[in-house]
Amino acid sequence: DQQVKQNSPSLSVQEGRISILNCDYTNSMFDYFLWYKKYPAEGPTFLISISSIKDKNEDGRFTVFLNKSAKHLSLHIVPSQPGDSAVYFCAAPNNAGNMLTFGGGTRLMVKP
Amino acid sequence: DAGVTQSPTHLIKTRGQQVTLRCSPKSGHDTVSWYQQALGQGPQFIFQYYEEEERQRGNFPDRFSGHQFPNYSSELNVNALLLGDSALYLCASSWVTGAPGKLFFGSGTQLSVL
Repeated sequence: DQQVKQNSPSLSVQEGRISILNCDYTNSMFDYFLWYKKYPAEGPTFLISISSIKDKNEDGRFTVFLNKSAKHLSLHIVPSQPGDSAVYFCAAPNNAGNMLTFGGGTRLMVKP
Repeated sequence: DAGVTQSPTHLIKTRGQQVTLRCSPKSGHDTVSWYQQALGQGPQFIFQYYEEEERQRGNFPDRFSGHQFPNYSSELNVNALLLGDSALYLCASSWVTGAPGKLFFGSGTQLSVL
């Protein structure tokens, strides 16, 4: 049972345009969400997070939106840069905060 | 300041063998978690160690075991290796009182079981 799903395995975007990565979840107990970015041969690195008491969190070019009623979150990158090309994972911790459930990832390719 | 370091980076084993992977957490971190990432999938939680004890365990068989040492470093042991154990094994460290889910990952150990 996949509690966190990323239905788009890949996304290709032109440099300077907006990238939108989507994530759905099924577990209503999740109340905090994170996005991680992973380059080849490196471990995932934390990018941005959002609590369920908010519907938007912004950090520079990165914004995460949360729609609790739809159990859906999205990551917007504006403007997209070639260095943003990586695999992006959404994730949710359990209530104790000691176990992360990851989605399957979306490979973003930003073309110059 | 060194981040999370893992060794070895690559490993090739045969079915039925045993393997030990090692992890040193980021300086100041007291909690170590292990994840398995199969090709084309997201990382899956194996277990977390804090104060030298297993604090939480994911849906993995007893063939997967671990240990945390007094200096917070950790080992992951896998016995009776199966072909399906071939994956990238990621170690992550954090503070027990840190933001939930905010982990610092190492670059991983790529395990191939032949």
